[in-house]
Amino acid sequence: DVKVTQSSRYLVKRTGEKVFLECVQDMDHENMFWYRQDPGLGLRLIYFSYDVKMKEKGDIPEGYSVSREKKERFSLILESASTNQTSMYLCASSLLGGYTFGSGTRLTVV
Amino acid sequence: TQLLEQSPQFLSIQEGENLTVYCNSSSVFSSLQWYRQEPGEGPVLLVTVVTGGEVKKLKRLTFQFGDARKDSSLHITAAQTGDTGLYLCAASGGYQKVTFGIGTKLQVIP
Repeated sequence: DVKVTQSSRYLVKRTGEKVFLECVQDMDHENMFWYRQDPGLGLRLIYFSYDVKMKEKGDIPEGYSVSREKKERFSLILESASTNQTSMYLCASSLLGGYTFGSGTRLTVV
Repeated sequence: TQLLEQSPQFLSIQEGENLTVYCNSSSVFSSLQWYRQEPGEGPVLLVTVVTGGEVKKLKRLTFQFGDARKDSSLHITAAQTGDTGLYLCAASGGYQKVTFGIGTKLQVIP
């Protein structure tokens, strides 16, 4: 069964900390994505990548960066966590058509 | 960015009832996907529709893509408690980038 694995289900971090969210897929997909999901706002695209070492800004990239050193791994970095980054973070990959999502990381910044 | 409107936002029905949820936009889509998300999990792809007027069935779920490829509907026959979840529609843009609606939260009561 194909999989997208996010390293943590729950994280609690302090304001100002640097936070790394890891995502690994085993499907050899070219495209990978990071979304955040908030009540009433739906899924919003933060960054995406269509190849190794390539990255593109999504709709809300401010305060985030990404890294894609290997095809199977796409990392989201919060340079200096803030309380308004408390959210559910979802990683996804795709080849053609629909996405395969990970189970999500619920991040709380205190 | 395409705007996708989903209705209703919330729906609570008794087990055994039928229901329809809608996804609309003023833009024409190249393709549209439906996902179901359970609490604390990532969305799971149910179907992709591509051709205007297309109808796809997945057991008790029927998906329809509008003739003009601007809207879609999901009909569930004889709802079961296992159908409870958040139903998301999503439309494709470039680089496999997808825009999501806010979703319809369905609760099926035993």
